[in-house]
Amino acid sequence: SQKIEQNSEALNIQEGKTATLTCNYTNYSPAYLQWYRQDPGRGPVFLLLIRENEKEKRKERLKVTFDTTLKQSLFHITASQPADSATYLCASWGNSGYALNFGKGTSLLVT
Amino acid sequence: EAGVVQSPRYKIIEKKQPVAFWCNPISGHNTLYWYLQNLGQGPELLIRYENEEAVDDSQLPKDRFSAERLKGVDSTLKIQPAELGDSAVYLCASSLGTGAGSGANVLTFGAGSRLTVL
Repeated sequence: SQKIEQNSEALNIQEGKTATLTCNYTNYSPAYLQWYRQDPGRGPVFLLLIRENEKEKRKERLKVTFDTTLKQSLFHITASQPADSATYLCASWGNSGYALNFGKGTSLLVT
Repeated sequence: EAGVVQSPRYKIIEKKQPVAFWCNPISGHNTLYWYLQNLGQGPELLIRYENEEAVDDSQLPKDRFSAERLKGVDSTLKIQPAELGDSAVYLCASSLGTGAGSGANVLTFGAGSRLTVL
């Protein structure tokens, strides 16, 4: 079955450092990967989308990569701040294109 | 723009009681989704509507869950009777279309309705 997997362990980093979160997918080849941010008690909020042929995409301090060989996307936050503390979710549409499937998310804590 | 509006934000009920959640999507968004999110997990799709038609409800436990989207705008998700295992956050989302054909379609979520079943 199609799966999106994220490291469920929380990531703790120091303010100012770069946070790197990993998303792996198996048994399918998504044309796009999406990243969302979710704060406690709130719904997910869309951050970035990357196409399979884009390799890398940036938005302010955020950078996303897409490696179709490794079947992996990396999400980077540079110069991290305590306000970046949240859960980050990776998502993609399944082969049918009718449901957006999410990983479990990775909790990031910046102190 | 108001975004996706959900109510109630919190609901505490005893098991075997009924409960209903309401969602108002972004104006003009034809596709509406109900997701279930357990603690420490990502959202999982329960049902998807294209206008007023439920086009994907394979993950909806139909013995106790029901949903409707009258007139293709607001939607209601109902649980009757509720069980202890139904305690979770119920998220509503909407989008202009689906990912079919592109995968570039993004979802806008509401804040969610947190259900606690005692």
